[in-house]
Amino acid sequence: DTAVSQTPKYLVTQMGNDKSIKCEQNLGHDTMYWYKQDSKKFLKIMFSYNNKELIINETVPNRFSPKSPDKAHLNLHINSLELGDSAVYFCASSQGVRGGEQYFGPGTRLTVT
Amino acid sequence: AQKITQTQPGMFVQEKEAVTLDCTYDTSDPSYGLFWYKQPSSGEMIFLIYQGSYDQQNATEGRYSLNFQKARKSANLVISASQLGDSAMYFCAMRERVQGAQKLVFGQGTRLTINP
Repeated sequence: DTAVSQTPKYLVTQMGNDKSIKCEQNLGHDTMYWYKQDSKKFLKIMFSYNNKELIINETVPNRFSPKSPDKAHLNLHINSLELGDSAVYFCASSQGVRGGEQYFGPGTRLTVT
Repeated sequence: AQKITQTQPGMFVQEKEAVTLDCTYDTSDPSYGLFWYKQPSSGEMIFLIYQGSYDQQNATEGRYSLNFQKARKSANLVISASQLGDSAMYFCAMRERVQGAQKLVFGQGTRLTINP
């Protein structure tokens, strides 16, 4: 059983397009996250949701819009894709907002051409 | 200022040897947590070990142990009896409280290569 799953695993698209990445966790966690890993492997948090409520928004361009329909799902929609958006996007989840390790999904490699 | 520093971009170790991956951190919050994650070439992030700032003993998980030196603000990962499958990127991360929530702040990573 996959604990945190993401779809798609690979996404190749052209500049200016709009795309979405989906994330689901079956761990019963109430907090989910989106991280971005750039070409130098540096990982940085983008967003965090707790029980469907946005609790962290790390100065991400407003072309990025997360949506959490329920606490098991956190999707990431990106408008007007730019070359600099090319990266690996990781979804993660944890129990609670103040503790516990974060379990990561397999990542989505986004390539913008 | 860098909150998590991993000073070893790459390390090469002979199979079966022990290896220490360095990590130093900077925080003024008395309550924090330190994590190590492994990222193999397949790309997934695998949680390895966790150390809480108030934990009295160093964390251990199988062949992994965390050498936690609070006064020095270091949290080095020790892998005993290294195996070829340990070749991967290793990330140190600190749990930081922000806006009533928590986020992980990652170091730059260390690429570990185990030679047969």
